Amino acid sequence: KAGVTQTPRYLIKTRGQQVTLSCSPISGHRSVSWYQQTPGQGLQFLFEYFSETQRNKGNFPGRFSGRQFSNSRSEMNVSTLELGDSALYLCASSLRGPNYNEQFFGPGTRLTVL
Amino acid sequence: SQQGEEDPQALSIQEGENATMNCSYKTSINNLQWYRQNSGRGLVHLILIRSNEREKHSGRLRVTLDTSKKSSSLLITASRAADTASYFCATDLTNQGGKLIFGQGTELSVKP
Repeated sequence: KAGVTQTPRYLIKTRGQQVTLSCSPISGHRSVSWYQQTPGQGLQFLFEYFSETQRNKGNFPGRFSGRQFSNSRSEMNVSTLELGDSALYLCASSLRGPNYNEQFFGPGTRLTVL
Repeated sequence: SQQGEEDPQALSIQEGENATMNCSYKTSINNLQWYRQNSGRGLVHLILIRSNEREKHSGRLRVTLDTSKKSSSLLITASRAADTASYFCATDLTNQGGKLIFGQGTELSVKP
């Protein structure tokens, strides 16, 4: 089975621009979660999508948004980029439900905002 | 804010020694998980322990959970240089998956 894939792997943007990141989950996984990782704040949960619906949301401003398509692929968008948005963005897929055992993470997209 | 606090922040040991990392959390949980991350790459799931379990083993890994103290520990026995990585505990408040709250992590260095 192919793992979680994220595109692009690296991205450089300037302040004020917007960016869209993509995540393809493992086949059969309908839950996709997004996390932001920075040296200062660590790993922080952004949001989770399941069956094209946002199920959970972290404490991030409205500039951060996401969506999920019918094939479970997910995108996250950050508008009006700020320097502090520079981070590694990780997505993870899983089988949702009480018997799930783990989240499978992609390699991440490293975003640099200049 | 982070749910988990990990201790120590950094740990340096020799190959063959055991490594112990601790994690404390603030609220009631349904399960706690440990992940490994190599050099800013994606995370790899190591082990999951549910709130009604006290100890779990997987190969050279041993995880304990004390819900009364809201703490967990990860023990890696007979460490190898390849174990060098950052280790994170993560709590699942919902037991449905999808939303994990991570600790700050322990950076483990295993010297050959």
